Amino acid sequence: DIQMTQSPSSLSASVGDRVTITCRASQSISSYLHWYQWKPGKAPQLLIYAASSLQSGVPSRFSGSGSGTDFTLTIGSLQPEDFATYYCQQSYSTPYTFGQGTKVEIK
Amino acid sequence: QVQLVQSGAEVKKPGASVKVSCKTSGYTFITYGISWVRQAPGQGLEWMGWISAYNRNTDYAQKLQGRVTMTTDTSTSTAYMELRSLRSDDTAVYYCARGPAAKRSFDYWGQGTLVTVSP
Repeated sequence: DIQMTQSPSSLSASVGDRVTITCRASQSISSYLHWYQWKPGKAPQLLIYAASSLQSGVPSRFSGSGSGTDFTLTIGSLQPEDFATYYCQQSYSTPYTFGQGTKVEIK
Repeated sequence: QVQLVQSGAEVKKPGASVKVSCKTSGYTFITYGISWVRQAPGQGLEWMGWISAYNRNTDYAQKLQGRVTMTTDTSTSTAYMELRSLRSDDTAVYYCARGPAAKRSFDYWGQGTLVTVSP
């Protein structure tokens, strides 16, 4: 199975901060990497697919980059509604696997 | 708009079975598959498998082979996930998601269904 390692596992940031989350795959996954936002009690939301494509309806402050084994999710200017947990996921091969999550908290 | 609405919370005893439904709307059901993902308390996300709504082909996670069955009902645009021989470590929130979509992502998700396995 492909292991996905996210860092950091949590971070504290202020509204307006630029936030970067990284995800590393245990082998090359090309651009089969996606980012999701998880909020308690809500349906998860796809933010970025194929490493760098912004899902329709997602604010442009979210961006993704990377290919192969190393990927990054960036929130350009953190907004109050962005405090949540973020997960990366690979779909290069089954079983599709997720990172362990990054919880973004208010500083 | 695309919606996936899941059935309500369940409490089951060890050894029992549970069947979770995922009713979809807002798109042509057979054009996408439905995947299932679960999250045990304090644990990460685990992909369970997926089913093609077009031809009902399935691909299950190896660790669940033999205990899980995913089905669809095209007449009601609903997907189902049945898990048998439940154990305490099957206690989790179960999510359905539309996909594989673009680059095999999951682009819309249900709200989750809590399944509790307790004696």
